[in-house]
Amino acid sequence: AQTVTQSQPEMSVQEAETVTLSCTYDTSESDYYLFWYKQPPSRQMILVIRQEAYKQQNATENRFSVNFQKAAKSFSLKISDSQLGDAAMYFCAYRNNFGNEKLTFGTGTRLTIIP
Amino acid sequence: EPEVTQTPSHQVTQMGQEVILRCVPISNHLYFYWYRQILGQKVEFLVSFYNNEISEKSEIFDDQFSVERPDGSNFTLKIRSTKLEDSAMYFCASRGSRTGFDEQYFGPGTRLTVT
Repeated sequence: AQTVTQSQPEMSVQEAETVTLSCTYDTSESDYYLFWYKQPPSRQMILVIRQEAYKQQNATENRFSVNFQKAAKSFSLKISDSQLGDAAMYFCAYRNNFGNEKLTFGTGTRLTIIP
Repeated sequence: EPEVTQTPSHQVTQMGQEVILRCVPISNHLYFYWYRQILGQKVEFLVSFYNNEISEKSEIFDDQFSVERPDGSNFTLKIRSTKLEDSAMYFCASRGSRTGFDEQYFGPGTRLTVT
């Protein structure tokens, strides 16, 4: 079974600074996807960024980028120019590309933005 | 933009009562999911549904849970006899295809409180 680990329960960053959230995962599969979801206080799950395992190039979406290290099974999220609206819980998630397509989530990192 | 909707947003029920949580997935999607998030914890997979049958369920999804797609648009989760530990946020999600890079779209969730 796949597992996802987020070792930072809480992180904080000054507004306009950069922060990196860590995620590691364990799988025996080679074809899979990784995601970062944001959950603001409303508790809605919002997809931030996704990465295909077969792609070496790291995904980027505006101020959000990932550092995907397949051999190390690491998938960190970097948020640049942090804004107050970035304050939320961030969940790392894994999904196979075949068979069981469910998402497996980590325990989350609560990000606080300091004005 | 199409979205997944869920009703009610908040449901309060007494222990032992039956509840039905409703979801309307995105109209051309084929794969449907329920996830649960106990307050302060990670999001956990409950069940996936395709072609009018369950494709996978977790160990949480015991005999007190059932899912149904009664009319081709709604997707429901029934809890037959609620327990205090069923108090959680329940998220519905849907996808257009089983494999590939398309994401699961989450609804806003139903907060279930069992007293």
